[in-house]
Amino acid sequence: EVQLVESGGGLVQPGGSLRLSCAASGFTFSSYEMYWVRQAPGKGLEWISYISSTGSTMYYGDSVKGRFTISRDNAKNSLSLQMNSLRAEDTAVYYCARDEMTGWCRFDPWGQGTLVTVSS
Amino acid sequence: DIQMTQSPSSLSASVGDRVTITCRASQSISSYLNWYQQKPGKAPKLLIYAASSLQSGVPSRFNGSGSGTVFTLTVSSLQGEDFATYYCQQSYTIPVTFGPGTKVEIK
Repeated sequence: EVQLVESGGGLVQPGGSLRLSCAASGFTFSSYEMYWVRQAPGKGLEWISYISSTGSTMYYGDSVKGRFTISRDNAKNSLSLQMNSLRAEDTAVYYCARDEMTGWCRFDPWGQGTLVTVSS
Repeated sequence: DIQMTQSPSSLSASVGDRVTITCRASQSISSYLNWYQQKPGKAPKLLIYAASSLQSGVPSRFNGSGSGTVFTLTVSSLQGEDFATYYCQQSYTIPVTFGPGTKVEIK
C-alpha cells in the first residue's frame, strides 16, 4: 500500500523552530517529486514547498521562503521540512504529498497530516 | 501567481441530486487542473486530474470538464459519502495554487 505518514508537529512559541518528517512506504520514493501543503484551521489548502526526486531542486511559496527548508533522504524513504522563525500564521495542519506523475503536480496520496500550533 | 476561484462557496443538496461546481483560473492553464475531495479531519483525495481524467478508484458519477480558464466538476447523482469540501488546483505552474473550496452539505 502506498502510504505517507507525517510526524513532528506540536506546539511551538513564536520565533521557534520545528522539524516535520514524512515517512514513505509502498513505492519507490526516490522516483517521485514530493510536496508540502498546509491548511490553516478552517481554511483552504496552501502549497508551501516542492523538492525534486533527487533533491537537487527545491521551490518555496512566498509565505515561507527564507524560513523553511525542504529536504529528503532517499536511502531512508524520508521527506523533511525544517521550519524556523515560526509565526502565528504558520499554525496549520501540514501534509506531505507525492506527485503521482512527475511534473504534473498531481497530488496522490497525501499523508494524514500533522498539526503545528505556533502560540505563546 | 495564478489565482483560482470557485463557485459556489457552498451548496445544499439532497442525495440523488446532480451537482456542479465551477472553477476559474486567472489565466489560461490549458487542462492542468485537478479536483480534490476533503472530508472533515481527513487529507484531501484526488478525484480528477488533467481536467477530465478520473483517478483510479473514483466512482464514475464524478466528471470533470473544461479547459483554458473555466472548469467544472459534476457529480451526477450525489451519494451520502459525497458530502465534503471540493477544491480545484492548477498544476500549470509553480506556485501551485488551489481554489478556496466548495462545501457540499446535506439539504
